[in-house]
Amino acid sequence: GENVEQHPSTLSVQEGDSAVIKCTYSDSASNYFPWYKQELGKGPQLIIDIRSNVGEKKDQRIAVTLNKTAKHFSLHITETQPEDSAVYFCAASTIFGQGTELSVKP
Amino acid sequence: DSGVTQTPKHLITATGQRVTLRCSPRSGDLSVYWYQQSLDQGLQFLIQYYNGEERAKGNILERFSAQQFPDLHSELNLSSLELGDSALYFCASSVAGGSGNTIYFGEGSWLTVV
Repeated sequence: GENVEQHPSTLSVQEGDSAVIKCTYSDSASNYFPWYKQELGKGPQLIIDIRSNVGEKKDQRIAVTLNKTAKHFSLHITETQPEDSAVYFCAASTIFGQGTELSVKP
Repeated sequence: DSGVTQTPKHLITATGQRVTLRCSPRSGDLSVYWYQQSLDQGLQFLIQYYNGEERAKGNILERFSAQQFPDLHSELNLSSLELGDSALYFCASSVAGGSGNTIYFGEGSWLTVV
C-alpha cells in the first residue's frame, strides 16, 4: 500500500522567514496530493492541493511543488506569520504523512 | 466549519467496553472516511465507505467496525477497548469515492479509555 514520509517533524522559523516541508510517497499510481493545516483542538483543514498533471501550484503565500519522477512533493510558505503556527500534514490521496509542527516566532 | 458533524465530542470509558462514534457527512457527499489520530501515530486511515459500501480498508483493528447507512451517516464501533485505543477519531467526507477527491474533516471525537 501507499506510504508517505514527511520531514521535518518540527520546524521553527522567525516571522517573515520561509518554511519548507517535504514529503515522499511510495505508490507511483498516486495522483492527488493535498496539504492540511491542523490547529490545536480542531480537525485538519485543506489549505492547498496539487494533482499529478501539474508541477507547481501557488495560492498567495503558499505554494506546492510536485516531482512525480522522484515521488516527492513540498509545501512552501513564504513571509510566515505567527498565525501560520500549526501542524501541517501532507497526503497522497487518503494516506497522510506524520505531520510537521511549525512554530513561527514573532 | 467543514460541514462534517461528529458526535460525541468527548467520551471517557473503561477498558473492555464498547463505544459508537457517529458521523454525518457534508450535504451531498457520498463517501465517508474514518481516521485515528494519536500522539505518536499521526493520522492513521482506518476505513472508507462510499454510498453504503466499503470502498477501502486501512489499519483498522478487528475489534473495530464501521458502517454507512442509507441516509449516508456513518458509525464507527470500537469494542473490547484497550488503553491504547485512546485517541482522537476523525470522520471525513468527500463528494465521490475516488482517490482524487478532496476530503473534509470533522472536528473529531476524543476517546479516553481508563
